[in-house]
Amino acid sequence: QVQLVESGGGLVKPGGSLRLSCAASGFTFSDYYMSWIRQAPGKGLECVSYISNSSVYTHYADSVKGRFTISRDNPKNSLFLQMNSLRAEDTAVYYCARDGSLDSWGQGTLVTVSS
Amino acid sequence: DVVLTQSPLSLPVTLGQPASISCRSSQSLVYSDGDTYLNWFHQRPGQSPRRLIYKVSTRDSGVPDRFSGSGSGTDFTLKISRVEAEDVGVYYCMQTTRWPLMYTFGQGTKLEIK
Repeated sequence: QVQLVESGGGLVKPGGSLRLSCAASGFTFSDYYMSWIRQAPGKGLECVSYISNSSVYTHYADSVKGRFTISRDNPKNSLFLQMNSLRAEDTAVYYCARDGSLDSWGQGTLVTVSS
Repeated sequence: DVVLTQSPLSLPVTLGQPASISCRSSQSLVYSDGDTYLNWFHQRPGQSPRRLIYKVSTRDSGVPDRFSGSGSGTDFTLKISRVEAEDVGVYYCMQTTRWPLMYTFGQGTKLEIK
């Protein structure tokens, strides 16, 4: 079955960096677009970024453009999100999700940006 | 940009009773290929979201048939025919355009048991 497992979250100071990873299994990873969706504490869902199956196309929310970089390693079935210049407002649970229709989600990893 | 507006934002329901959530779009969601990419998700407390319905009315595998989606154009509805305890949580509608791929989520509707 489809499994997505995020890792890499944690506590970081404002201005710091983190790299999130998402390990995929149970499907042909290279066939699917992949996305990062975040949810701030007590808030709704926001699409942060997505990447096409061959990495040709990427998209970023305006709130993270220029600070976050999405990438993937298809042979290793892995999705990444490099987050730089982190701000307090980036504090959220970050989920990876499969496909443009978000048909499968991971359990999420918590990123806390605080001094 | 498309804006999705859900109502109500809070929905207290008695067990066994029906529930209905509305999702209205600021513009038509019919895409150039003729399909409408409007999905519904359910997020139980402390869990990640789970897709329930895609393309307006198609239930995902394993989703009970008490859940149904309907609508067209700019107005969409998620209905639960008889609410069960496991249905509590927040429901989100979401639309995608296909090219370029863009997502928009509704604000969420919190369903609780009276």
